[in-house]
Amino acid sequence: EPEVTQTPSHQVTQMGQEVILRCVPISNHLYFYWYRQILGQKVEFLVSFYNNEISEKSEIFDDQFSVERPDGSNFTLKIRSTKLEDSAMYFCASTKLDRDKPQPQHFGDGTRLSIL
Amino acid sequence: DQQVKQNSPSLSVQEGRISILNCDYTNSMFDYFLWYKKYPAEGPTFLISISSIKDKNEDGRFTVFLNKSAKHLSLHIVPSQPGDSAVYFCAATTWGWGDDKIIFGKGTRLHILP
Repeated sequence: EPEVTQTPSHQVTQMGQEVILRCVPISNHLYFYWYRQILGQKVEFLVSFYNNEISEKSEIFDDQFSVERPDGSNFTLKIRSTKLEDSAMYFCASTKLDRDKPQPQHFGDGTRLSIL
Repeated sequence: DQQVKQNSPSLSVQEGRISILNCDYTNSMFDYFLWYKKYPAEGPTFLISISSIKDKNEDGRFTVFLNKSAKHLSLHIVPSQPGDSAVYFCAATTWGWGDDKIIFGKGTRLHILP
């Protein structure tokens, strides 16, 4: 069964450094998302992306965050200058487009980001 | 801001019996509801969903019930199996309103006892 893949599985970065998290969504999916889960808290929405632009973003997704689909298969999340509070599990998700019926989002296994 | 609430952090059920996981929501605009299962070190795995036009959806051992007037949904697993031990997330979206971001509950950890 096709799945969303994320790399790396664990990223350790010094505070203030830039980090790029990578995702390969399911190949026939057209909507892409990033979520994060801080330890002990809920999974929370960061951003959605469709047709090469951001559809929606949460309050968390400030100017330090950006997303990109650099080619036909990858979807990346960049954090420009990491802070300690960015430490979390980051999940990528994707879904098919169906304007008549809602479709579930399918998640990758996540990247654990640790900021030192 | 707890739009989706799972009030039981954990639940233990004997193997072979029925597991019932509950979820309440506050936003009456939610129109698509999902259950995800999560094992440690893995991402949430989609289990089953239900649209607000239905009150029940069944897939094998899994059935989701939706009570819109009570703003309540539940996931029934029968019979429960050892591999069902995981964290279960209730989630919701306002798909029909053009907003498909998922709002998650905090999760319920299900333990299936031998």
